[in-house]
Amino acid sequence: NAGVTQTPKFRVLKTGQSMTLLCAQDMNHEYMYWYRQDPGMGLRLIHYSVGEGTTAKGEVPDGYNVSRLKKQNFLLGLESAAPSQTSVYFCASSYGPRDIQYFGAGTRLSVL
Amino acid sequence: GQQVMQIPQYQHVQEGEDFTTYCNSSTTLSNIQWYKQRPGGHPVFLIQLVKSGEVKKQKRLTFQFGEAKKNSSLHITATQTTDVGTYFCAGPKSNYQLIWGAGTKLIIKP
Repeated sequence: NAGVTQTPKFRVLKTGQSMTLLCAQDMNHEYMYWYRQDPGMGLRLIHYSVGEGTTAKGEVPDGYNVSRLKKQNFLLGLESAAPSQTSVYFCASSYGPRDIQYFGAGTRLSVL
Repeated sequence: GQQVMQIPQYQHVQEGEDFTTYCNSSTTLSNIQWYKQRPGGHPVFLIQLVKSGEVKKQKRLTFQFGEAKKNSSLHITATQTTDVGTYFCAGPKSNYQLIWGAGTKLIIKP
């Protein structure tokens, strides 16, 4: 049972480049989340989804887009990367809105 | 807006000493969750507290939820090297989200 899988694990981008981070979960969870983690700031929610075909903005959505075309997948896109987006990105999923969240291993992104 | 404050940001202890982290919410929480993140790893769920005044134990870890359901604590007795990491508390917001504390990093002095 893989749980939550994130790809890629590491990535280096130049300013202005675009990329997509993929999150896949095999637990049939309705809720999925994208967070970024920066030193001393804990986890900040970027976007989330309460079900297939739905997405919503979190605390820090600017510069990111998301899609949930299939229940098991949640994609995070950066259209024009900026150095301020250098961070560790975590995907998580949960059965319900107040339930335990299960995290992927993270993607470490550097934007030069 | 709703806030969850967690203190301290760091705690340095000698192996065998105790460790405590505190979580304080600006609003009453329906429940509180605790997670642990090992260095280089991802957050992993530890426990959820739901009832006012609830106390739960997991071996050397003791979790408490305040009577007013606005604060919580995690206490580790006799720390070991395997306890190293960052401990986060998180409580539900009204719109399907969790609101997270900034975490307390436990560092074992060499």
